[in-house]
Amino acid sequence: GAGVSQSPRYKVAKRGQDVALRCDPISGHVSLFWYQQALGQGPEFLTYFQNEAQLDKSGLPSDRFFAERPEGSVSTLKIQRTQQEDSAVYLCASSKGQSGAYEQYFGPGTRLTVT
Amino acid sequence: GESVGLHLPTLSVQEGDNSIINCAYSNSASDYFIWYKQESGKGPQFIIDIRSNMDKRQGQRVTVLLNKTVKHLSLQIAATQPGDSAVYFCAENSGGTSYGKLTFGQGTILTVHP
Repeated sequence: GAGVSQSPRYKVAKRGQDVALRCDPISGHVSLFWYQQALGQGPEFLTYFQNEAQLDKSGLPSDRFFAERPEGSVSTLKIQRTQQEDSAVYLCASSKGQSGAYEQYFGPGTRLTVT
Repeated sequence: GESVGLHLPTLSVQEGDNSIINCAYSNSASDYFIWYKQESGKGPQFIIDIRSNMDKRQGQRVTVLLNKTVKHLSLQIAATQPGDSAVYFCAENSGGTSYGKLTFGQGTILTVHP
């Protein structure tokens, strides 16, 4: 079956522009996570949704970052007034259940480059 | 292609050798650990997991060992193949949450030579 998909796969933004990154989780998956992966680093947690509720946004680096999942399926990560330090791969993952016992399936990521 | 590994530990092995990748984790309260494989341009792919009430778990060609005393995790890959070449990350559920917030380790680049 289809896995987690993300779009666009690559995004180049000029400093100061707003960007929106989309995640389509596996159908029926309750949990959705966003991670940020800088070059040469492991992914770092940004935020977590359980259905449409954003239960944890402790990893969002600044108030320029905003995520939503209004209908409990597709999620969008928005970055306003992008800065060069926002350049990274943004990964989305989904899992079937609400607890940490369920495997997280990752999408291919969106590579954001801010020039 | 992307240059992911400028700052990551590396391990080079010959095809058919066994590989051991190590990871130190930080939170003694972590109760769930996962190994992921990440190929260039792709997201992390689940390999194997282990809970803190176990010290060893085996999968197909892979074994994970957990030493809680020294907070150390290892991944053993038997009969390593060129297709195993990738970056390997350990991750721990250390957020004190019920929903699986993961903290990833630094990663190790595995290169398998035919």
